[in-house]
Amino acid sequence: GAGVSQSPSNKVTEKGKDVELRCDPISGHTALYWYRQSLGQGLEFLIYFQGNSAPDKSGLPSDRFSAERTGGSVSTLTIQRTQQEDSAVYLCASSPRLAGITDTQYFGPGTRLTVL
Amino acid sequence: KQEVTQIPAALSVPEGENLVLNCSFTDSAIYNLQWFRQDPGKGLTSLLLIQSSQREQTSGRLNASLDKSSGRSTLYIAASQPGDSATYLCAGGNQGGKLIFGQGTELSVKP
Repeated sequence: GAGVSQSPSNKVTEKGKDVELRCDPISGHTALYWYRQSLGQGLEFLIYFQGNSAPDKSGLPSDRFSAERTGGSVSTLTIQRTQQEDSAVYLCASSPRLAGITDTQYFGPGTRLTVL
Repeated sequence: KQEVTQIPAALSVPEGENLVLNCSFTDSAIYNLQWFRQDPGKGLTSLLLIQSSQREQTSGRLNASLDKSSGRSTLYIAASQPGDSATYLCAGGNQGGKLIFGQGTELSVKP
């Protein structure tokens, strides 16, 4: 079946502009995660959605970052007033999140964001 | 706060060698330990997942172990092949599924 998809694959923007990154998880997966991978910081957790529960936003680096998940499926990560330090690869993952079990996360190919 | 460290940062071996990649974590209260592979410019591919109650998992030429008491996990690759060349990442998972990643080990297998 189809894996996790992300769009766009590459995004170049100017400092100060807003960007939206999209993630389509695997159908039926209830959990969705956003991570960021940058040269200096490695792979960092950003935010986590599980069903109808309030999201875990503990990894968001600033209030310029926000994310939503509509209808328990597609998710959008929004970065407002982008800065050069936001340049990174943004990775999305989903998992079935069966009750009482922590399970494998399946990653998308990522969106490479470059802020000029 | 969970911190994950991987040693070595880079490793180059000749084809056919068996090798071990190391991962250590500071908080033994992890729910699972996952190993991933990342090819250049690509996303992550899950290799093995070890639940906190397990000691090891095997898939083909790969074997991953977990020792919570010492805060260590190892990934053993048998009979390495050039196609195994990639960056290998380990990550500790908490109850919510949030993963804390190590910096990775870049593996190069020479023909």
